[in-house]
Amino acid sequence: DSGVTQTPKHLITATGQRVTLRCSPRSGDLSVYWYQQSLDQGLQFLIQYYNGEERAKGNILERFSAQQFPDLHSELNLSSLELGDSALYFCASSEGTDGYTFGSGTRLTVV
Amino acid sequence: AQSVAQPEDQVNVAEGNPLTVKCTYSVSGNPYLFWYVQYPNRGLQFLLKYITGDNLVKGSYGFEAEFNKSQTSFHLKKPSALVSDSALYFCAVRAPYLDTGRRALTFGSGTRLQVQP
Repeated sequence: DSGVTQTPKHLITATGQRVTLRCSPRSGDLSVYWYQQSLDQGLQFLIQYYNGEERAKGNILERFSAQQFPDLHSELNLSSLELGDSALYFCASSEGTDGYTFGSGTRLTVV
Repeated sequence: AQSVAQPEDQVNVAEGNPLTVKCTYSVSGNPYLFWYVQYPNRGLQFLLKYITGDNLVKGSYGFEAEFNKSQTSFHLKKPSALVSDSALYFCAVRAPYLDTGRRALTFGSGTRLQVQP
């Protein structure tokens, strides 16, 4: 157990639907990073939050959004889902130095 | 912009032989470099990192990596491979001296290591 918890582990949904992925960072970590891992594009950085505020955006689609709550857990919202959104979504947390701890991911399948 | 290249999609090695997984990077300033390993249906596990100091970094499970500034490389190595080392390996980089809130890692495309018995 890395200390970063992601739920659900697996999600199957239909095209056009909306889903929410949840991440609880390691205790004391203020930064949360979201990554998408797909077969053809490797690990892509999506978005980062630090202590409740959005701090950096990567290759995140406009259909996707995220937030970090006062208790520091984060949610990634994916809407108008397409087949190409099927991927493994990882969350990582960091305490602000140079350690990054990854969760075990949420595997999203869009059918 | 920062980037990482892992030129080999797959590396095959026999058990007991030395292994090398290659990584080159591009970043402004002195790089912060990382290696992670991913086993099937698992998250990324940290192996080692280079921030500063000795160019040879030792990490988990007997892995080590050599930082070469002139060649902008950070190759992962192990003297004697095990079948259990078979997994997907990712190299990652970030620029130094970033705000605490802007330290996302940029990952390479990954290299699948296959160790044959």
